[in-house]
Amino acid sequence: GDSVTQMEGPVTLSEEAFLTINCTYTATGYPSLFWYVQYPGEGLQLLLKATKADDKGSNKGFEATYRKETTSFHLEKGSVQVSDSAVYFCALESGGYNKLIFGAGTRLAVHP
Amino acid sequence: DSGVTQTPKHLITATGQRVTLRCSPRSGDLSVYWYQQSLDQGLQFLIQYYNGEERAKGNILERFSAQQFPDLHSELNLSSLELGDSALYFCASSVVGGAGAEAFFGQGTRLTVV
Repeated sequence: GDSVTQMEGPVTLSEEAFLTINCTYTATGYPSLFWYVQYPGEGLQLLLKATKADDKGSNKGFEATYRKETTSFHLEKGSVQVSDSAVYFCALESGGYNKLIFGAGTRLAVHP
Repeated sequence: DSGVTQTPKHLITATGQRVTLRCSPRSGDLSVYWYQQSLDQGLQFLIQYYNGEERAKGNILERFSAQQFPDLHSELNLSSLELGDSALYFCASSVVGGAGAEAFFGQGTRLTVV
């Protein structure tokens, strides 16, 4: 079945460092791909998405490019802030009707 | 605020009991999803309803059931509770149709089974 694999955390960075969180997927066809973020004590929020190959999703300085050749959707940010500390989930849309399959989540901690 | 409301926020109950979690979707969203987030299983899709009908089923135990009512709110019923059912249960809603529709998540109900 469809699945998502993302790098294990926690990822600990200093403020203004470069961030990469790896995400690869296994799916039938070409599903839409998402990054969701979960701040402490809150639900998930959509960070960015891409619906077809070579699309780049971007939001709040974060970017991810849909690479079908490598079945990847890595999340990047050029300069992280303390406020980016959260858990990041990579997800794909599976089986129609917008059902989501999530990766295990990667906790990011950014220190001043 | 995502517009998705879940009640209660916290629930503590004993093993063997039954609980009901409630979700009100965003105004206009016809589709409701339930997810379970636990430390060992991560975020798992349980079930989806669209305009009152079940549309997709994931790793939902037979002890669990859900429904979506005519006013589009949804309830997740968990029965014969076990310690391992302790988790954060999220409801999400979306406008179904077209690839990449955003799912809006509620803040979750934290269930603790003791």
